[in-house]
Order: sequence, then structure tokens, then C-alpha cells
Amino acid sequence: KQEVTQIPAALSVPEGENLVLNCSFTDSAIYNLQWFRQDPGKGLTSLLLIQSSQREQTSGRLNASLDKSSGRSTLYIAASQPGDSATYLCAARGGNNRLAFGKGNQVVVIP
Amino acid sequence: GAGVSQSPRYKVTKRGQDVTLRCDPISSHATLYWYQQALGQGPEFLTYFNYEAQPDKSGLPSDRFSAERPEGSISTLTIQRTEQRDSAMYRCASSLGQANTGELFFGEGSRLTVL
Repeated sequence: KQEVTQIPAALSVPEGENLVLNCSFTDSAIYNLQWFRQDPGKGLTSLLLIQSSQREQTSGRLNASLDKSSGRSTLYIAASQPGDSATYLCAARGGNNRLAFGKGNQVVVIP
Repeated sequence: GAGVSQSPRYKVTKRGQDVTLRCDPISSHATLYWYQQALGQGPEFLTYFNYEAQPDKSGLPSDRFSAERPEGSISTLTIQRTEQRDSAMYRCASSLGQANTGELFFGEGSRLTVL
């Protein structure tokens, strides 16, 4: 069974600092990895999708890398803003068509 | 529709009652997923559909849980004889194709509270 771990569980940073969120997974035989943002009481918003053949994806201030062989993905958020405060979830997609989620990185950006 | 729509957004019920949650996926999306998310945890897979077919329902926690997608579009998740441990956020997602490579889009979820 795929196990996904996200470290740190929670972090606070001052506005303007870069954020680095880590995700590790136990089974490297994945099809893709997807990063989501979760706001309290709201749905999951897809941020980036990295296919297994890709090393990274970028969207605006967000950049996600994928190292399948070591079972790791990292989400970088440049120049953080208070509006970036949320929980970030990573999810690995296996051959069984399931997404296996981590518990999330809870981020607070302090103005 | 423009996005995945779920209803009701909030449901409070008494233990022993049946509840049905509804999911309307993005138009033309072939694949639909149901996940259960407990507070402070990541979502856990329940089941998924390719159109009306249900290839995998092994994530359903007991036989009190069932899901349908009879016409390959709207889906319902039914929980019979609800128990307090069923209290959670139930999330629906859809994906355009049937392949494992597609991006998943989630709705806002249905929060179930069983008293």
C-alpha cells in the first residue's frame, strides 16, 4: 500500500520568504503526483500535476519537482503572501487509479 | 457543469438514519471518484467509476456504504444505518479520461455529522 508523508506538518513563515514543502512516497511505481491546496471548509484546488516522466512543473510562483527513484516531491512557493496560507496536500497516483494522499502541510504566512 | 458540484454541503443526521450524498461531475468527464476525509487527515479512497462501471469499490469501509452512477454522469453515495464514526467530509472528484494520467478536480465536499 502506498504511504505518503508530508513534512513539516505545520509551518509559519514571514511574508516574502520562500516556502519549501516536502512529500515522500513509499512506492515509486507511480503514474503521476498532484499537489492540491485546501482552504478551511472548501474543496481541494489542484495546483500542479507532474507526470511520472517529468522532473518538474511550474505555474506562476509555484514549482514542483519529482524524483521518482527516491520517492520525493517538493513544492516551492516563491515570495510567499498571506493569501498562500492554507493546507497543501500531495497525492501520488498508482496503477490502481487511486490517489494516495499525505496528511498535508499546514502553512501560515505572517504579514 | 463548470466544476464538480456536491450536495448537500452539510448534513446532520441521527445515528441509524440513511443518508445519500450527490455528486455532479464536470461535463464529459469519464471518471468519478469518492473520497472520505476525517479531520486532520488526508482524503482516503472509497470507490471510483469509469462512466457507469465501478471497477473498484474496495475502499468502501463496510457494506453499509454503496455508490451508483447509473447513467455515467451524476453519482450518489449512500450510507445506510449511519454510525458516529461515519462523520467526515465526503469528497467527489472527476477526471476527463479513464487513464491513470489525468488530473483530478474536486468539488467542495459534503460534510456529514452523525449525532
